[in-house]
Formats: sequence, structure tokens, C-alpha cells
Amino acid sequence: NAGVTQTPKFQVLKTGQSMTLQCAQDMNHEYMSWYRQDPGMGLRLIHYSVGAGITDQGEVPNGYNVSRSTTEDFPLRLLSAAPSQTSVYFCASSYSPGLGNQPQHFGDGTRLSIL
Amino acid sequence: SQQGEEDPQALSIQEGENATMNCSYKTSINNLQWYRQNSGRGLVHLILIRSNEREKHSGRLRVTLDTSKKSSSLLITASRAADTASYFCAWRGGSEKLVFGKGTKLTVNP
Repeated sequence: NAGVTQTPKFQVLKTGQSMTLQCAQDMNHEYMSWYRQDPGMGLRLIHYSVGAGITDQGEVPNGYNVSRSTTEDFPLRLLSAAPSQTSVYFCASSYSPGLGNQPQHFGDGTRLSIL
Repeated sequence: SQQGEEDPQALSIQEGENATMNCSYKTSINNLQWYRQNSGRGLVHLILIRSNEREKHSGRLRVTLDTSKKSSSLLITASRAADTASYFCAWRGGSEKLVFGKGTKLTVNP
């Protein structure tokens, strides 16, 4: 049981490049989400999904796309990387019913630098 | 922004001392959660307290909740060097969205 797996762990991009951050979970969780963590800002929600085929925007969605074709996977796409997207990105999952009642399971993050 | 505040932002103590961290949130809640984040790692769930509970214990952790003040506190007793980490509170901030506080960075010196 691997939990939540994020790849890659580190990535350096040039401005304007695109890439996909991968997230997979093996706990059959309905709810998955992406956060970015910046110094002094805590965690901010980018996008989330309550189940396969359903996604919605969080607090800071601009510049990012997501899709949820399977229960297990929730990739995050940067369309045209900008230096402001330099951050640590975390994927999390949980059982969906009563979101606030369920502990979130986090991956170990992807550290992304945009030059 | 729905983000609350954690207080203090940073805390440095000696091993064996108690550490208290506070969390202020902005909305009505059904539950509040606390998480720990070790350096370079993801967040790990510590404890959940329901809105009808005033206090909850788990090992060396004690969490209190005051819904009238929209605040919670996390107490770690008899701290160890291994408790060095950042601690975050979190609550449901709207439809299917979990909101995190900005965190308290705890350093426990041997």
C-alpha cells in the first residue's frame, strides 16, 4: 500500500514550458486535491476532484489544468510555466463523504523551479 | 481569503518542555484537524476534533476547541527533538474545500 505517490520529486523548467505533475493513490479515495505551498502562505488549494470525471477550481487555479479520468490518478498540468509558479506542490486524497471529517493523505511533494 | 492564522509563526523550546500552538479560523465548522509536516515531506494527519467537543487527547497531544472564539490550540507535552516540524490546522472552508492555516514552525532543541 503506497498511499499517495507524486512524481517527479524535483523539476526545473524554463519560462513558457509545459509539464504534468503526476499524482496517484491506491486507497480508492474519491476525493483528490492539489495544493501549492509557498513560504509564509501556507497551503493554497489549486484544484480538486470529488470523483472520476468531476473537477473544480480551488483558490488559485489560474495557469493550471487538471483531469480525473480514473479514481487513482489526478495529474496537474502547467500550461505555460511562469516564475510565479515556482513552489512545492502537494497532492492529497481522502474519502469524500463529509470532507472535513476525513483525514487527508498527502504525497511528499514536487519541488518545482521555473527559471 | 479563507485562511486563518496560526500563532506563533515560529516556536523554539528545549526538550522536555511543553509546546502550545494556536489556530484561528474564519467560518463555522463541523470539525477541525491538525497536521504535522516534517522538513521536505508531506503533511501527516494528527488529530480531528468535532465542533461538539471541547478537548481531545492523543498520546502527548492535547487539542482544545472554542467555537465561540473560532479558535483551537494544540499542546504537545514533554516535547522531543523528533517533534521538530511545522504544524497546521485545517477545516472545511466551503463546498468540498479544505482550508489550511499558515502553520507554526516548532523547533525542539536537544
